[in-house]
Amino acid sequence: NAGVMQNPRHLVRRRGQEARLRCSPMKGHSHVYWYRQLPEEGLKFMVYLQKENIIDESGMPKERFSAEFPKEGPSILRIQQVVRGDSAAYFCASSPQGVPSVYNSPLHFGNGTRLTVT
Amino acid sequence: TQLLEQSPQFLSIQEGENLTVYCNSSSVFSSLQWYRQEPGEGPVLLVTVVTGGEVKKLKRLTFQFGDARKDSSLHITAAQPGDTGLYLCVVSAGTALIFGKGTTLSVSS
Repeated sequence: NAGVMQNPRHLVRRRGQEARLRCSPMKGHSHVYWYRQLPEEGLKFMVYLQKENIIDESGMPKERFSAEFPKEGPSILRIQQVVRGDSAAYFCASSPQGVPSVYNSPLHFGNGTRLTVT
Repeated sequence: TQLLEQSPQFLSIQEGENLTVYCNSSSVFSSLQWYRQEPGEGPVLLVTVVTGGEVKKLKRLTFQFGDARKDSSLHITAAQPGDTGLYLCVVSAGTALIFGKGTTLSVSS
């Protein structure tokens, strides 16, 4: 009964490199959400995807960040030309239905990828 | 400005003590959730409250939704070290969840 799987758990990148974070949702879940957690800011929504579609990317920075959820394989959050300010914990969550609310199943979170930019 | 204000920010207590943490807002919500996040892990849903004035109990945890559905509280009776973690109140906003900054609880034996 695998939950949401994220890898790697820890990722160290130098400024200017690319970071790729992967997320495999729970079995049967076709909705994926990415959140970023900074110590002073708490968890912030970044993007919501369904298979092959970006539904809401209002929380994602316009530059350097992109996300995809292909028909086959995990969801990928990609950060190009990383800067020190990108250092954070990135969490993926999944649900069997969209638009999380009390009427739907709750979000199931992975254990995150901790990105450190040196 | 933060939509959800949680207090206190940090709380350190001894095993066996009781505690209450709060989540306040000037906005009205149709529902509110509490999550707990342990170090190195993702948040896990504890409860969802829907009705103003609603009280839900989960073993030693008691959750209350304010009558006006603007605030909520979490009371823990006889805290144990296993209760240590970050307690987050959360509301739904469109396709996203909005998280408070949380209360970090440390229970020592």
